[in-house]
Amino acid sequence: DTGVSQDPRHKITKRGQNVTFRCDPISEHNRLYWYRQTLGQGPEFLTYFQNEAQLEKSRLLSDRFSAERPKGSFSTLEIQRTEQGDSAMYLCASSLGPGSYGYTFGSGTRLTVV
Amino acid sequence: AQSVSQHNHHVILSEAASLELGCNYSYGGTVNLFWYVQYPGQHLQLLLKYFSGDPLVKGIKGFEAEFIKSKFSFNLRKPSVQWSDTAEYFCAVNAGGGGADGLTFGKGTHLIIQP
Repeated sequence: DTGVSQDPRHKITKRGQNVTFRCDPISEHNRLYWYRQTLGQGPEFLTYFQNEAQLEKSRLLSDRFSAERPKGSFSTLEIQRTEQGDSAMYLCASSLGPGSYGYTFGSGTRLTVV
Repeated sequence: AQSVSQHNHHVILSEAASLELGCNYSYGGTVNLFWYVQYPGQHLQLLLKYFSGDPLVKGIKGFEAEFIKSKFSFNLRKPSVQWSDTAEYFCAVNAGGGGADGLTFGKGTHLIIQP
């Protein structure tokens, strides 16, 4: 158990459908991050929150991607009108503070768009 | 923007061999440096990290890394590998000194240890 929980573990969806993933960070961690990992690549940073504030969202891949952390605890990542190119592993990480504290990663949600 | 280059995409070694995985980064400012490992079917786990101070950093499972600022490098080493070290290894960087958060990862090195 990593302490960072992601749900679901796997998601298969048809092209054009919307999907939402959930991340529950380690409870005392105020920073939460989303990454995408495609086959053969390292994780790619998407966005992050400090408590409920989204401090960086320019790296989201398109306007179809959005993330929320309404109460500063769990977060959701939504992809609207999914495309086959969205198929990837979506990773969540949390941290006690700025990057020097280190990051704890969840096991990820694997999205397959058919 | 930062970038990270890992020179070896696939490495195959025999047990007890020494390991060195290369990592170079591109960024002009202060950086924090990390090595993560991903065992088959498992999540990313932190091996070690460097923020400041002694450039030789020791991590878990006998791994260490040396930060050479003049070479923009942060190579991972282990003197004697085990079969259980078979995994994907990622080097990552973020801007230090309160800069933008979020890690930039290299593409990873797939390490296979043959018994």
